[in-house]
Amino acid sequence: DQQVKQNSPSLSVQEGRISILNCDYTNSMFDYFLWYKKYPAEGPTFLISISSIKDKNEDGRFTVFLNKSAKHLSLHIVPSQPGDSAVYFCAASSLTTGGTSYGKLTFGQGTILTVHP
Amino acid sequence: DGGITQSPKYLFRKEGQNVTLSCEQNLNHDAMYWYRQDPGQGLRLIYYSQIVNDFQKGDIAEGYSVSREKKESFPLTVTSAQKNPTAFYLCASKDLYNSPLHFGNGTRLTVT
Repeated sequence: DQQVKQNSPSLSVQEGRISILNCDYTNSMFDYFLWYKKYPAEGPTFLISISSIKDKNEDGRFTVFLNKSAKHLSLHIVPSQPGDSAVYFCAASSLTTGGTSYGKLTFGQGTILTVHP
Repeated sequence: DGGITQSPKYLFRKEGQNVTLSCEQNLNHDAMYWYRQDPGQGLRLIYYSQIVNDFQKGDIAEGYSVSREKKESFPLTVTSAQKNPTAFYLCASKDLYNSPLHFGNGTRLTVT
């Protein structure tokens, strides 16, 4: 039972354009969502997060949108740069099942983003 | 610089042998976690510990064991009971507030 799904295994974008990565979840108890970026043979690095009390959070070129009724979140990268090429994971957690520290994350399968110069 | 150190980066073992993966952090984080990544799949939680001398099973704990004798260390033992041990193993830590997980750079374990 995949509670967090990233249905696009890969995405290819031209440098300077917008990259949109999507993520769907099924567990209505999830109330905290994160995006991580991962290069091969390295650990994931945190990008941006959003709690369920918000529908948008911005940090520089990165914006995460949350649509609770659709159980959908997306990551927008504007403008995309070749250095953004990596695997992007969305992850979700719940105050009730994740403990007070939100460390128990459920991850999607990842989307490989390639930004062409 | 503070961070999480996983060693070794690559590890090879014969089937039937137990192997222990090291994870050390100097971030003064209370909670530590072990995740596993397989090709085409997201990360899955193996074990976690929120305080010294205490730990809980994650979603895929069978065939694994852990210990938390020190705040900065959380070693993972992959036992011979783990049916598919070949994977990329990631250790992570965080404080007890609403901050994100910090990950180490992983250990790739290959069992033949």
